[in-house]
Amino acid sequence: DAEITQSPRHKITETGRQVTLACHQTWNHNNMFWYRQDLGHGLRLIHYSYGVHDTNKGEVSDGYSVSRSNTEDLPLTLESAASSQTSVYFCASSESPWQGENYEQYFGPGTRLTVT
Amino acid sequence: RKEVEQDPGPFNVPEGATVAFNCTYSNSASQSFFWYRQDCRKEPKLLMSVYSSGNEDGRFTAQLNRASQYISLLIRDSKLSDSATYLCVVYKAAGNKLTFGGGTRVLVKP
Repeated sequence: DAEITQSPRHKITETGRQVTLACHQTWNHNNMFWYRQDLGHGLRLIHYSYGVHDTNKGEVSDGYSVSRSNTEDLPLTLESAASSQTSVYFCASSESPWQGENYEQYFGPGTRLTVT
Repeated sequence: RKEVEQDPGPFNVPEGATVAFNCTYSNSASQSFFWYRQDCRKEPKLLMSVYSSGNEDGRFTAQLNRASQYISLLIRDSKLSDSATYLCVVYKAAGNKLTFGGGTRVLVKP
């Protein structure tokens, strides 16, 4: 069965360290997304990609970067981790093109990141 | 003002009862609407799309009111397993992205 996985599931790191969160999907979807979820804010889009070598900034992209070298993977890098980046991070993927009311994003299980 | 707003709840619902809640959106150009369900510490999953004419999926009914810019979700005959956070999601072509509300928490109790 196709799936979307994230690793690690839990991570504790120190302020200033570089951290990379992995996202891997076997749906063969062109679209991939990274969100963070915090109490009071819901899910907020960090970066997204519509295909290999395509990356775009979302609403909360400062301090994060992504690269897309193949269809299956979209790693998220925190260049210099800050305590404000303590959050739960979800990766998602979807088919393209946009399918209106039939559109669905499939989410990974999430990574809980703590920056101390 | 947030683009998509929801009452965070919790809505405490006796088992078997009906519960309904709304979500308001600020951008009149929004095109498509969805309800996602999220269990505690788990990933969101699509519950149902919201069609312009309203739609049902078993015990769940979704409605869209474009004039007043809100969507609603009604759950009939609530089950303990319906306890979750329900996320309102809006899509608009400009930007080609989904915008999520903060979620409404529902607790169904015996």
